[in-house]
Amino acid sequence: NAGVTQTPKFRILKIGQSMTLQCTQDMNHNYMYWYRQDPGMGLKLIYYSVGAGITDKGEVPNGYNVSRSTTEDFPLRLELAAPSQTSVYFCASSFGGGTYQETQYFGPGTRLLVL
Amino acid sequence: GENVEQHPSTLSVQEGDSAVIKCTYSDSASNYFPWYKQELGKGPQLIIDIRSNVGEKKDQRIAVTLNKTAKHFSLHITETQPEDSAVYFCAVGFQKLVFGTGTRLLVSP
Repeated sequence: NAGVTQTPKFRILKIGQSMTLQCTQDMNHNYMYWYRQDPGMGLKLIYYSVGAGITDKGEVPNGYNVSRSTTEDFPLRLELAAPSQTSVYFCASSFGGGTYQETQYFGPGTRLLVL
Repeated sequence: GENVEQHPSTLSVQEGDSAVIKCTYSDSASNYFPWYKQELGKGPQLIIDIRSNVGEKKDQRIAVTLNKTAKHFSLHITETQPEDSAVYFCAVGFQKLVFGTGTRLLVSP
């Protein structure tokens, strides 16, 4: 099992550009998550999904969009990049969730710099 | 919403010493309390977790204790080794996970 994989590892964007961060898991997990991690801070939840076709906002969703057409993939879309979106982005997945939280498995992260 | 505070932000110990990291939370409905270890350039990895119906859990050199009444839980690492050096995050869960701000642990040989 590769677990959770993310691409790209690192990207520099200009203000106003768009990009998609890719996330794939091969553990057949129902739940998938996108977090951002700013320096010296914990992880903030951007969006999450409880299964294919179902997504919901987390704590900091503004400026991002997601879709979940398959169990395996959960891409994160930045439409108009802003310097405030400079961060490290982590994708995670878990078998269970909701009111019975289970272990979340994290990918290696994507470092994004917006200039 | 849930508010999680984590202390200390940095912790330096000598190899073989014990290390303790503490987190407090605000929502009494929270029922899941994991601890994650993040090494440089990597994603967080679960090291131990505890649920609200348990007061303490151990796994070799690491243990977690939970005080539901006081709404705090702690990570204890005994006989620390240089490879324990990393950033440790607590998290609190009910519906979603809310993370603490992290503790950078440095274990000196």
